[in-house]
Amino acid sequence: DTAVSQTPKYLVTQMGNDKSIKCEQNLGHDTMYWYKQDSKKFLKIMFSYNNKELIINETVPNRFSPKSPDKAHLNLHINSLELGDSAVYFCASSLSGPTITFFGQGTRLTVV
Amino acid sequence: QKEVEQNSGPLSVPEGAIASLNCTYSDRGSQSFFWYRQYSGKSPELIMFIYSNGDKEDGRFTAQLNKASQYVSLLIRDSQPSDSATYLCAVNWGSGGSNYKLTFGKGTLLTVNP
Repeated sequence: DTAVSQTPKYLVTQMGNDKSIKCEQNLGHDTMYWYKQDSKKFLKIMFSYNNKELIINETVPNRFSPKSPDKAHLNLHINSLELGDSAVYFCASSLSGPTITFFGQGTRLTVV
Repeated sequence: QKEVEQNSGPLSVPEGAIASLNCTYSDRGSQSFFWYRQYSGKSPELIMFIYSNGDKEDGRFTAQLNKASQYVSLLIRDSQPSDSATYLCAVNWGSGGSNYKLTFGKGTLLTVNP
């Protein structure tokens, strides 16, 4: 009964390809996020969605496009992958407000 | 620019000792504060959260918050080798409603030596 699950866990792809990462949560939360953790382990928010609506969009290249078909799902599509996109991407969820955020197991993306 | 600062370490303590992890944050409007533990290759796992000034204890862990000094800390008593991990301080701020996000420090690597 995984709370926040994302797939795939590992993704190795060539530069220029397009790839997607899927995320689902069964906690009944209304807000979902994508975070990126770089090689120095710094964890930084990319996007947040509340009830399918984009709320936060940090300074992220427009090659990254999140999509939320419903409040339990948030996917991340990345076009024209670059070497610098290699990182671990974490999906997370919470209830609205300054509440606890739960993280998925992460997707390690390697662009070669 | 809202920032969260942590000493990156590594912090090395002997088994059974108290480990003290510190964090400062830049925005006085911050409302909630979290400590996450992250083992290598794993996702961040919540250890403690604190909303009010003072101490909050949970087993071997104590979180301390001082909003006037914009300072939050985590004490781990009777440290065990299994506590060896990176500890991430996170601050939740926003302008209301659903506009909240966690801002993380860069983490402190803790090593507990047997």
